[in-house]
Amino acid sequence: DIQMTQSPSFLSASVGERVTLSCRASQNINKYLDWYQQKLGEAPKLLIYNTNNLHTGIPSRFSGSGSGTDYTLTISSLQPEDVATYFCLQRNSWPLTFGSGTKLEIK
Amino acid sequence: VQLVESGGGLVQPGKSLKLSCSASGFTFSSYGMHWIRQAPGKGLDWVAYISSSSGTVYADAVKGRFTISRDNAKNTLYLQLNSLKSEDTAIYYCARRVGALDYWGQGVMVTVSS
Repeated sequence: DIQMTQSPSFLSASVGERVTLSCRASQNINKYLDWYQQKLGEAPKLLIYNTNNLHTGIPSRFSGSGSGTDYTLTISSLQPEDVATYFCLQRNSWPLTFGSGTKLEIK
Repeated sequence: VQLVESGGGLVQPGKSLKLSCSASGFTFSSYGMHWIRQAPGKGLDWVAYISSSSGTVYADAVKGRFTISRDNAKNTLYLQLNSLKSEDTAIYYCARRVGALDYWGQGVMVTVSS
C-alpha cells in the first residue's frame, strides 16, 4: 500500500499569511493527488484534484503543486473560514490512502 | 448533488448492519461510488468502491466482511457490514467518484459495542 505522510500535523498561522501544507507519498503517485478540507463536525470537501486543479466553487487563494512523491497545498492569504483539517488522498493505485491530516488554526 | 446516508446505530460485536446512501441531483447509474470511514477523532480511511458497472474493490481491513452494492433503479448505494468489530466504530461517508471524490454525504455513525 502507498503510505501518505502529511506535515506538519498542526499549524497555527495569522490571518493574511501564506500557508503551505505538505504531503509525501511512499512511491510515485503520478499526480493522482487530491486535497480535502474538513471543518469540525462536517463532512470532507474536495478542494483540489489531480495535484493542481481547483474544484468548482473553491476560492482561488487555494492552489496545489507537486509531482512524483512530493505535493503541496498553498493558501495564499489565510482567512478565518479556512480553520479546518486538511487531508491529502492518493488515487494512483488501490487501496486509496489518505494522509493523517494537518490541523490548521488561526494564531 | 445530494448524498444522504442512513442505517447507522449501535450494534454488538459480531453482528451485522446495512448502510444506505440515497443519491439525487445527478445520474447515479453513471458514477462510481465510494465508502470512506472516520473513527472518532481520527483520520479518513477508504473502505470500498463500486464502479458504474458494479465492479468492486475493498480495503484489506474489511474484505470478506463488508459488501458494497448498488441499486440504480432506487438511486441508492449500500454497504453491508457483517462480523462487526469494535474497530469498525466510525462515521461512514459515501462519496461520488469523478476521479476525485467530488461530493460527500453528511455521514452516518456506526458504533460497535457490547
